[in-house]
Amino acid sequence: SQQGEEDPQALSIQEGENATMNCSYKTSINNLQWYRQNSGRGLVHLILIRSNEREKHSGRLRVTLDTSKKSSSLLITASRAADTASYFCATRNSGYSTLTFGKGTMLLVSP
Amino acid sequence: DAGVTQSPTHLIKTRGQQVTLRCSPKSGHDTVSWYQQALGQGPQFIFQYYEEEERQRGNFPDRFSGHQFPNYSSELNVNALLLGDSALYLCASSLLRAGASTDTQYFGPGTRLTVL
Repeated sequence: SQQGEEDPQALSIQEGENATMNCSYKTSINNLQWYRQNSGRGLVHLILIRSNEREKHSGRLRVTLDTSKKSSSLLITASRAADTASYFCATRNSGYSTLTFGKGTMLLVSP
Repeated sequence: DAGVTQSPTHLIKTRGQQVTLRCSPKSGHDTVSWYQQALGQGPQFIFQYYEEEERQRGNFPDRFSGHQFPNYSSELNVNALLLGDSALYLCASSLLRAGASTDTQYFGPGTRLTVL
């Protein structure tokens, strides 16, 4: 079963704009991770935020985590056409090392 | 440093047949997890292998089985294939050994299975 729900399901923006994707989950977590997937191929790990962290940055990526609301957001600043992909949040639940994924957000960045 | 590799890339089978998918983990990793990703969905956890044993299992029937070899590579076997088994099968590797475990899983490119 899916743990997380990403919102929106699809997002279309112009190059240079910012893209924000949200993720909600249901159970207590150890950490939350964001992955990118191009054209239905393998997933690429983007960033991990632990349950005791509230915000994390990596290059043009900014992730926030609100454990009281069981939600996270991924912000991609100054988007590029190469950012076009599907983005998934995945949670690692306490006591387990496996990941539970949401259904993903499809991002389209137009030149 | 080789990443996670999977074979084959694509596979077409008919209902009732059996299939074996293969995965080699990233160098230095000792744990392999398998995921099934149906079209338009997120990956769903099938099972995880560590020290040649199934460590955790998701909500998949016994038709799905696996194996891990001493070199940490792994196989996923699916018996009595159904149309609904058509999906992208992803393998992910990580490090679980005490004192060195990592939270990040590294994914292979996947095997696309089509069942006709």
